[in-house]
Amino acid sequence: FMLTQPHSVSESPGKTVAISCTRSSGSIASNYVHWYRQRPGTSPTTVIYEDNQRPSGVPARFSGSIDSPSNSASLTISGLKTEDEGDYYCQSDDGDSVIFGGGSRLTVL
Amino acid sequence: QITLRESGPTLLKPTQTLTLTCTFYGFSLTTSEMGVGWIRQPPGGALEWLALIYWDDQKHFSPSLKSRLTITKDTSRNQVVLTMSGMDPVDTATYYCASNGGRTRDYHAFDIWGQGTVVAVSS
Repeated sequence: FMLTQPHSVSESPGKTVAISCTRSSGSIASNYVHWYRQRPGTSPTTVIYEDNQRPSGVPARFSGSIDSPSNSASLTISGLKTEDEGDYYCQSDDGDSVIFGGGSRLTVL
Repeated sequence: QITLRESGPTLLKPTQTLTLTCTFYGFSLTTSEMGVGWIRQPPGGALEWLALIYWDDQKHFSPSLKSRLTITKDTSRNQVVLTMSGMDPVDTATYYCASNGGRTRDYHAFDIWGQGTVVAVSS
């Protein structure tokens, strides 16, 4: 299956933004979805794992969810800050292969 | 503290074989559930998963690249080695290794990533 993300999203500081990740086939609930942020020139870091779990050090402004009717996962960031800018990737697996979404560039302006 | 560092050639010619080494610190690949994977990212492009190896030597490969890839581990040196044959200019990318944090093998995901190493393929 594939994971499809919007190419780019933008929102103002202090607002809330949601980045979607739509699974092409099979149920989104069948396999965990994880989210990574990549700031320019740096390696990716995990912001959400197992659909909705935050690693230590990731602020509570970051949350993850899945929506079965739309077969998609979402990363929601509230109280946007300019430091939240970067590329966000969703990732899942099918038990054998790892699948990444195409990435979404978040601009906070 | 877990860290990973990739090393290998920066420039290859087409048809050559790429050998990359991931040296890691702060964990052992003899620990149950631990895994190390390789992911690449072409310039300006998205992340693409390549391969994954677990503590018990279970291996997983990208279906589209499987015929070109091998992955091995050396637990005494805390290293994972990826080889990719038949390199082409389209394989030019930053190559990352990453650990799964030892959470579980029930799903595949990555916790800590290395800084990445840039590999260019050109004649």
